[in-house]
Formats: sequence, C-alpha cells, structure tokens
Amino acid sequence: GENVEQHPSTLSVQEGDSAVIKCTYSDSASNYFPWYKQELGKGPQLIIDIRSNVGEKKDQRIAVTLNKTAKHFSLHITETQPEDSAVYFCAATGNFGNEKLTFGTGTRLTIIP
Amino acid sequence: NAGVTQTPKFRILKIGQSMTLQCTQDMNHNYMYWYRQDPGMGLKLIYYSVGAGITDKGEVPNGYNVSRSTTEDFPLRLELAAPSQTSVYFCATRRDLVSGNTIYFGEGSWLTVV
Repeated sequence: GENVEQHPSTLSVQEGDSAVIKCTYSDSASNYFPWYKQELGKGPQLIIDIRSNVGEKKDQRIAVTLNKTAKHFSLHITETQPEDSAVYFCAATGNFGNEKLTFGTGTRLTIIP
Repeated sequence: NAGVTQTPKFRILKIGQSMTLQCTQDMNHNYMYWYRQDPGMGLKLIYYSVGAGITDKGEVPNGYNVSRSTTEDFPLRLELAAPSQTSVYFCATRRDLVSGNTIYFGEGSWLTVV
C-alpha cells in the first residue's frame, strides 16, 4: 500500500517569511495529492491539491509543487501570517479504483509574530 | 447545510464498555470514512464505505465495527473499549472518484478510555 512521509514534524517561521513542508510517497500509481490544514480542536480542511498531470499549482499565498519522478511534493506558504499557525497534513491517493487516502504524520507550523 | 456532523464531541468510557460514535452527512456523498488521530500522529483509516450496504476495513479496524444502512449515516461501534482506543475520531465523506477527490471532515469526537 501507499506510504507517505512528511517533514519536518515542527516548523517555526518568523511572520512574513516563507514556510516549506515536504512529503514523499511510495506508490507510483498515486495521482492526487491534497494538503489539509487542521486548527486546534477542528477537523482537517482542504487548502490546496494537485493532480499528477500538473507540476505546480498556486492559490494566493500557498502553492504546491509535485515531482512525479522523485515521488515528492511540497507545500509553500509565502508571507506567513499568525493565522497560518496550525498542523498541516499531506496525503496521497490514486484516482479510479482507489478509495483510500493515505496521510502523512503532520507538521506543526508556528508563526512567530 | 451542516456537512458532516459527528456526535458526541467528547466522551469518557470505562474499560470494557461499548459505545457508538455517530456520523451523519447531508451532502449525498457516496464515500464515507472513519479515521483516528493519535497525539502527534497522522490520520489512520479504521473503516470506510463506498455506498449504502458496503463497508470495508482500513489500516486499523480491530476493536471496531461499522454499518452503512443509509447514504447519510455511518456509525462506528466500539465493543469492549480499551485504553488503546483513546484517540480523536474523525468521520469524513467524499462524493465519488469521478466527480471529485475532495474529502470533507467532521469536527471530531474526543474519546478517552479509563
């Protein structure tokens, strides 16, 4: 089955600086890679996703890059703000015929004012 | 539109007791999932369902049971609760594999077994 590794487990960044979280996956058949943000006491919420036919996707201050050859993908947050403080999870899954999403172990991001 | 609703939010169980975590969705999604999240860990899949009447095991199904008699409801049953089942439980839904991959999570149920 799929195995997703996520690094780092904790990350502290000065407000206004950029944050990068990296994930690797094992199953070359995986083709959908979402990122979730989990605030304290809440369920995870999708913030951005990327499919395997795309190398990069941006949405305002967040972006995700995918390298299918190396089987890794990254989340980039620019101009970080205090409200970006949360736990971030990457995940990977196949599309057709694969109903299960495999999650990384999470990164606790702290933005220092 | 409530989305994914989980009850109860918090529960303390004694070892050996049984209980059911309820999950209801109003989005008419085919796929439903139960995950558990242990401190500092990712989400582990317990059980999932691809439609009413169909359920399947995930990574960590031991000690749990599920049923899916309707599209809306996907209860998770804990039989003979053990301290190892102390965790946060999340129910999630997904429309299907064709029209969308987005998974929507409930707010979570905090369970402590003492």
